[in-house]
Amino acid sequence: EADIYQTPRYLVIGTGKKITLECSQTMGHDKMYWYQQDPGMELHLIHYSYGVNSTEKGDLSSESTVSRIRTEHFPLTLESARPSHTSQYLCASMPGGGYGYTFGSGTRLTVV
Amino acid sequence: AQSVTQLGSHVSVSEGALVLLRCNYSSSVPPYLFWYVQYPNQGLQLLLKYTTGATLVKGINGFEAEFKKSETSFHLTKPSAHMSDAAEYFCAVSRQGAQKLVFGQGTRLTINP
Repeated sequence: EADIYQTPRYLVIGTGKKITLECSQTMGHDKMYWYQQDPGMELHLIHYSYGVNSTEKGDLSSESTVSRIRTEHFPLTLESARPSHTSQYLCASMPGGGYGYTFGSGTRLTVV
Repeated sequence: AQSVTQLGSHVSVSEGALVLLRCNYSSSVPPYLFWYVQYPNQGLQLLLKYTTGATLVKGINGFEAEFKKSETSFHLTKPSAHMSDAAEYFCAVSRQGAQKLVFGQGTRLTINP
């Protein structure tokens, strides 16, 4: 039973549009993460948060931004989508202690 | 710093054959180790994890992995492959109190009928 939810699952959008990918978790986890993944490829950390009002950029530079106003909510925004942003975006959360992530089902974004 | 190396980006086995996916890690402190599975167009699902205790860990779908400290390995095995095992598999490492997991590059498992 998924306790972390991503919407939408699939999104096709035109170049230049502003988009927000939603991620919510019901487990009360402080730590949340966004990964970008191209098909059949490794995971790249683009943003993470260790709690409310805490956000950091990850290992892969991204034009997206994130916010963490509530513990359960960690949305990702692209102000102006481009075809190079076409990818799968995965959200994850973790309780304290390093005991592993729970992942959402992902959002597959296509920018045309 | 911690790191993970998965040997073989693509592994192909016949249905009913042994599945062996290799994972080696680097860590200066006792590691926590994980295997995740990803089906097409899905997120990652935890297969199994090792934190402390018994070094042979059993997971879902008949998979198991053994933590071998002397070999810095955490290989994933399944005695008999099923067509439904075809997926991408990721090994990951962390440690007590870690803020993030470190993932390997992933191994795509293909099952031949």
